[in-house]
Amino acid sequence: AQSVAQPEDQVNVAEGNPLTVKCTYSVSGNPYLFWYVQYPNRGLQFLLKYITGDNLVKGSYGFEAEFNKSQTSFHLKKPSALVSDSALYFCAVRDWDTGRRALTFGSGTRLQVQP
Amino acid sequence: DADVTQTPRNRITKTGKRIMLECSQTKGHDRMYWYRQDPGLGLRLIYYSFDVKDINKGEISDGYSVSRQAQAKFSLSLESAIPNQTALYFCATSDARVSNQPQHFGDGTRLSIL
Repeated sequence: AQSVAQPEDQVNVAEGNPLTVKCTYSVSGNPYLFWYVQYPNRGLQFLLKYITGDNLVKGSYGFEAEFNKSQTSFHLKKPSALVSDSALYFCAVRDWDTGRRALTFGSGTRLQVQP
Repeated sequence: DADVTQTPRNRITKTGKRIMLECSQTKGHDRMYWYRQDPGLGLRLIYYSFDVKDINKGEISDGYSVSRQAQAKFSLSLESAIPNQTALYFCATSDARVSNQPQHFGDGTRLSIL
C-alpha cells in the first residue's frame, strides 16, 4: 500500500522568512513524489516532482523539495516566503514498483504567510 | 479557455436525486480521474480511466458511477445522492505518452446535498 502524511494542518510564516511544509510517505517500492498547490476556488496546480536523480528538486514559483530516502520524506521549501504563497499545499506519491496506476494524496497543509 | 472544464461549478440538490458531473478536456490526454475533496481528508480517488475502454474503481467508488464517452469526456454520476456526498469534486487528466507526467486539474464542482 502507498500512503502520504502531512503532519501539519497549518504552517504560519512571516513574509521574507524561509518556509518548510512537511511530507512523509510510505511505499513498498520506490516512490514517485509530487507537490501541488491549491488557491481558493481553483483546482490543484503542479509545483514539482521527484522521479529519480538529484535529491533536491526545483519547481515553480521558487519552490524546491528535498527527497530523503532514509527518512522517507519529501519536504517542500522556499528560501523567502511571499504573501502570495498563502494557499493549500498537497503532497502525493505513487509506488512505481507495484504498478499501482494512481496517485495517493496527503490531507493538505494550509500555508499562511503574514505581511 | 480552460484545458480541463468541469460543469456545473456549483450544484445544490436534494437527497435521492440523480446527479451527473461532467468533465471535458482539450489537452488530448488519455488518462482521466475523478476525486473528491473534503476538509482534512485531502483528495480521494473515486474512479480513473486510462483510455475509453479502461475504467477502474478508486478508493471510494461506492455510490458513484462513471462514463467515458470519448477520450475528451469523463462524467461522474451519483445515482441517488446522499448528504455525506456533499464535497468538492475534481476532474484531472494526465498524459500517458510520457511516464509520470503531472495531473492537470479542473477548477472543481462544489456539490451540496440537502
